[in-house]
Amino acid sequence: GAGVSQSPRYKVAKRGQDVALRCDPISGHVSLFWYQQALGQGPEFLTYFQNEAQLDKSGLPSDRFFAERPEGSVSTLKIQRTQQEDSAVYLCASSLRSGNEKLFFGSGTQLSVL
Amino acid sequence: SQQGEEDPQALSIQEGENATMNCSYKTSINNLQWYRQNSGRGLVHLILIRSNEREKHSGRLRVTLDTSKKSSSLLITASRAADTASYFCATDPGGYQKVTFGTGTKLQVIP
Repeated sequence: GAGVSQSPRYKVAKRGQDVALRCDPISGHVSLFWYQQALGQGPEFLTYFQNEAQLDKSGLPSDRFFAERPEGSVSTLKIQRTQQEDSAVYLCASSLRSGNEKLFFGSGTQLSVL
Repeated sequence: SQQGEEDPQALSIQEGENATMNCSYKTSINNLQWYRQNSGRGLVHLILIRSNEREKHSGRLRVTLDTSKKSSSLLITASRAADTASYFCATDPGGYQKVTFGTGTKLQVIP
């Protein structure tokens, strides 16, 4: 596609619900990142894929967060049993290769947990 | 946790003035990047400077990097109202490692 696409743009969940956020990176991009951004803060790293391999998941806040990229293209970030503190914008970014590459960001999914 | 820290946190200037933002980081890097974000949504890449470079220019943007001080600065010359946004530095340690962002500088350019 022309850019990184994320869906949905907005998601409202009741506390305790499971949510799934989707990221379609630019075709052919090897690296894929997920970030969490709270209001007024910088993006916080969650996890990183190189093709289908999840090379770093050190930023995932708890075991309620799970990410996958089974075929090395589309990625899904799943949050189980959502809590109010999960409310944030979730950003996905991709780059052509790893290292010395600029990141292309999607518009994000704004998650509100009530 | 944030790798970088921008200074100032907020900056308000008149159109036509120059804006300077600074970034300090903690660990060694392969490159440092600057991004702009409008309205709290997706970030847009502005410029990348490698660890063996000291200065780089792109249009009205000038970036410097001092690896001995672990700091970088972004200068926007002749600012325009459209430059109003948040600006973030991001550090890339290289290899298969994560790119981490700073806390951001919120720039307001008054017409």
